[in-house]
Amino acid sequence: EAGVVQSPRYKIIEKKQPVAFWCNPISGHNTLYWYRQNLGQGPELLIRYENEEAVDDSQLPKDRFSAERLKGVDSTLKIQPAELGDSAVYLCASSGDGFFLEQYFGPGTRLTVT
Amino acid sequence: ELKVEQNPLFLSMQEGKNYTIYCNYSTTSDRLYWYRQDPGKSLESLFVLLSNGAVKQEGRLMASLDTKARLSTLHITAAVHDLSATYFCAVGNTGNQFYFGTGTSLTVIP
Repeated sequence: EAGVVQSPRYKIIEKKQPVAFWCNPISGHNTLYWYRQNLGQGPELLIRYENEEAVDDSQLPKDRFSAERLKGVDSTLKIQPAELGDSAVYLCASSGDGFFLEQYFGPGTRLTVT
Repeated sequence: ELKVEQNPLFLSMQEGKNYTIYCNYSTTSDRLYWYRQDPGKSLESLFVLLSNGAVKQEGRLMASLDTKARLSTLHITAAVHDLSATYFCAVGNTGNQFYFGTGTSLTVIP
C-alpha cells in the first residue's frame, strides 16, 4: 500500500515569494491534515479536511495561507507571500474512518525562506 | 486548548539500560498516540492507546495510559542504539483535534 506522498521534498524561496505544497493521501482515507513542524518542536495542526470540507482551520494564518482539497483526494497548501518565520517542515497526514483515527504521515516538505 | 507536556525533553542513556518517557495532558481525552521521528524523516506511528489501563508492547518499547491521571508512559527496556530518535506523544479529543507534545530526543550511547 502506497503511503502519503508529498512534493516537493525541499523548497528554498526568498521572502515575499509564493510557494505551494502538494499532498496525495493514502487511498481511501477521507481525512487529511496539514501540520507545520518547527525545529525542535512537535507538529502543529494547520488545517483538517473531511473529504472536501475544511472542518478545522482555526490555526491556519488566513492572511497568507490557503489550502484546498479538490474532489476529496489530493490537497494543496499555499503560502503567499512567504515570510522568514514560515521556514519549517510542512507535514501532510491522512487517516481512515473509525474510532482509531490513526494518522499516517508523509515525508514532509522542508521550506526555507531567505 | 489541550496542552501536552513531555519529559524529559532530552534523554541520553547507555545501551542496556531502562528508562521511561512521560506524557501529561491537560484535559480529558479518549485516545493517545506515540510516534517516532528519525532525523530528517517523518513521523512513524508506534502505539494507539484508547482506554484507561491500556498497555501495548512492541519489542523493547511499552506504552501505557492512565486516563484518570492524564498520563501516558513510554518505557524503554534494555535500550539499543537503533532506538535513538525523537519520540512524540499526541492526544486526540472528541472533536478529532490532535495535539502533539514537544517531543523527547533520545540518544542511546554504546
